[in-house]
Amino acid sequence: DTEVTQTPKHLVMGMTNKKSLKCEQHMGHRAMYWYKQKAKKPPELMFVYSYEKLSINESVPSRFSPECPNSSLLNLHLHALQPEDSALYLCASSQELPPASTGELFFGEGSRLTVL
Amino acid sequence: GNSVTQMEGPVTLSEEAFLTINCTYTATGYPSLFWYVQYPGEGLQLLLKATKADDKGSNKGFEATYRKETTSFHLEKGSVQVSDSAVYFCALSRRETSGSRLTFGEGTQLTVNP
Repeated sequence: DTEVTQTPKHLVMGMTNKKSLKCEQHMGHRAMYWYKQKAKKPPELMFVYSYEKLSINESVPSRFSPECPNSSLLNLHLHALQPEDSALYLCASSQELPPASTGELFFGEGSRLTVL
Repeated sequence: GNSVTQMEGPVTLSEEAFLTINCTYTATGYPSLFWYVQYPGEGLQLLLKATKADDKGSNKGFEATYRKETTSFHLEKGSVQVSDSAVYFCALSRRETSGSRLTFGEGTQLTVNP
């Protein structure tokens, strides 16, 4: 099983809603990531979890709140978002340590978020 | 800091044409290099990778060689198909104390016409 599974695939929410994006992997990876991708642009790193602990936060606004309940799951809680937050949100995972780690990330299909 | 520069797109080719997408990088140390592909409406898929100088990554007819002397990792395919139409991202990976940080190029949109 080499998949990273993200749900939902599409989400439409108002600016006052609270919603969550979910990500799951069963490859035994201990590093998990959230990326944001706008149209025709490369993905931008938001958060990195390593061994279920938040290790990198790229100065993301607090209306995005990540959570890593266990080594297989990663959530992104959304609250009071703005229309400019509409984007494709990608989850990824990787091996944590060399030599198993070559730095390769495995990406999910993404959750396409529209904020009205 | 680390950076990746890709040739600007979009690139439009006819089926069976030869493809080259240039990629050069700036990095400290010895990064791993990757090509990711993103088909319309989908996430990123790893196309190929190389982890040290002179390594050649290959997959689905695509190839790229890690050239340290020219700091390049150009993507090539001898005969493209309509199904290769996608956005291609060159990336390098730097090991952090926790996790890996990917630096992406801007992406190159490829369209292959029948």
